Amino acid sequence: EAGVAQSPRYKIIEKRQSVAFWCNPISGHATLYWYQQILGQGPKLLIQFQNNGVVDDSQLPKDRFSAERLKGVDSTLKIQPAKLEDSAVYLCASSLGTTSNEQFFGPGTRLTVL
Amino acid sequence: GNSVTQMEGPVTLSEEAFLTINCTYTATGYPSLFWYVQYPGEGLQLLLKATKADDKGSNKGFEATYRKETTSFHLEKGSVQVSDSAVYFCALRDSGNTPLVFGKGTRLSVIA
Repeated sequence: EAGVAQSPRYKIIEKRQSVAFWCNPISGHATLYWYQQILGQGPKLLIQFQNNGVVDDSQLPKDRFSAERLKGVDSTLKIQPAKLEDSAVYLCASSLGTTSNEQFFGPGTRLTVL
Repeated sequence: GNSVTQMEGPVTLSEEAFLTINCTYTATGYPSLFWYVQYPGEGLQLLLKATKADDKGSNKGFEATYRKETTSFHLEKGSVQVSDSAVYFCALRDSGNTPLVFGKGTRLSVIA
C-alpha cells in the first residue's frame, strides 16, 4: 500500500513570504496529523484532524499558520508570513483513527526561511 | 503535561557492540510507549512499541521493556550493525488516537 505522500520535499523562502505544504495520507486513514520538527528536537504536534474536523490545534500558531482538510482526505498546511524560526521539517502522519493504532509518517518537507 | 526525556547523542559504537539508549517519561495516565527510527533521508518509522507495564516490544533485534516503577523504556540491542545508524526517538501516547509526544532524539553512528 502507498505510504503518506508529502510535497514539496524541500522549500527555501525568505522571511515574510508565504508557503504551503501538501499531504496525502494513506487511503482510508481518518486521522491526519501535522508535526513540526526543529533541528535537534523531536517532532511536536501542530494540528490533528479527524476526517475534515479539527481535533487539536492548541499548539498551532494561528496568527501565521493555518491548515485545512476540506474533503477529509488530503491536507494543506500554510504559513503566512514566515519567520526565521519556522525553519524546520514539517511532518505529516496518518492513522486509521481507532484506538491503539499506529501513526504512519510521510518523508517530510524541509523548510528553510532566510 | 506529558514529556519524554532521552539520552543525548551522538552515540558512536563499533559494529557488534551493545547498544542502550535511555528513555524516561512523565505522564498523568497510563501511556503507550514507542521507539521510532529515522534513517538518513527517510521518514519516521515505528521500530517497536509497548502498551502496558512489563510489556516488551521487540523488532529487528531491538528490545525495550515498559517499566512503570521507573517510568522508563530503554532501547537495547545486543549487536549493532552499520545499517542501524539512524536517529532514534522515544515517544509516548496517552490513549486512543491522541498525538505522539516525542523525545529529542538520539543519533546513533555505527562504524565498521
